[in-house]
Amino acid sequence: DQQVKQNSPSLSVQEGRISILNCDYTNSMFDYFLWYKKYPAEGPTFLISISSIKDKNEDGRFTVFLNKSAKHLSLHIVPSQPGDSAVYFCAATFNPGGGADGLTFGKGTHLIIQP
Amino acid sequence: DAEITQSPRHKITETGRQVTLACHQTWNHNNMFWYRQDLGHGLRLIHYSYGVQDTNKGEVSDGYSVSRSNTEDLPLTLESAASSQTSVYFCASSLDTLSETQYFGPGTRLLVL
Repeated sequence: DQQVKQNSPSLSVQEGRISILNCDYTNSMFDYFLWYKKYPAEGPTFLISISSIKDKNEDGRFTVFLNKSAKHLSLHIVPSQPGDSAVYFCAATFNPGGGADGLTFGKGTHLIIQP
Repeated sequence: DAEITQSPRHKITETGRQVTLACHQTWNHNNMFWYRQDLGHGLRLIHYSYGVQDTNKGEVSDGYSVSRSNTEDLPLTLESAASSQTSVYFCASSLDTLSETQYFGPGTRLLVL
């Protein structure tokens, strides 16, 4: 059973508009969430993260919102630019005893920015 | 600049052969990870290590092994390659047990015939 779900395999957004990518999780033990961006033939690149003690984290054009009660997070990109076209992965982890374990990833959403 | 590298970038092998994929990082990170990426599955954790001589199994560890003899390297070995192990493999590292952010290498595309 998938613990991190990205239900939209693809998303098309016009350049300059807001892109909203969604992610749901089922494991209530997760306490740290990350977004990665991936171009073809490259490794995932860390984009932004949020701890479960926060409900929002912002970095330039990127903002991540966390709704713990709904077990839902979203990534907002505004304004969207052509270079944002990539696959975006949502990931989650938990740290029992302070250890950094592997990340649990969603299947990814392919974001396409149209001119 | 510090970085994480993987070699080879592409590999074709035959069923039953032993294959080793290399991962090398120069960040002096304690934690290293191996993932595989397959269509319809996202990235899945194979093995990970918190430091020298430490290794742990991940979600899809069957048929794989790792060893950590120094801080910089975590080679991944497929003991007897199977067609189901055709995939793209990513290595990642993070600073220490308090750092959740992982940094990924460029990947190795493996084809098992």
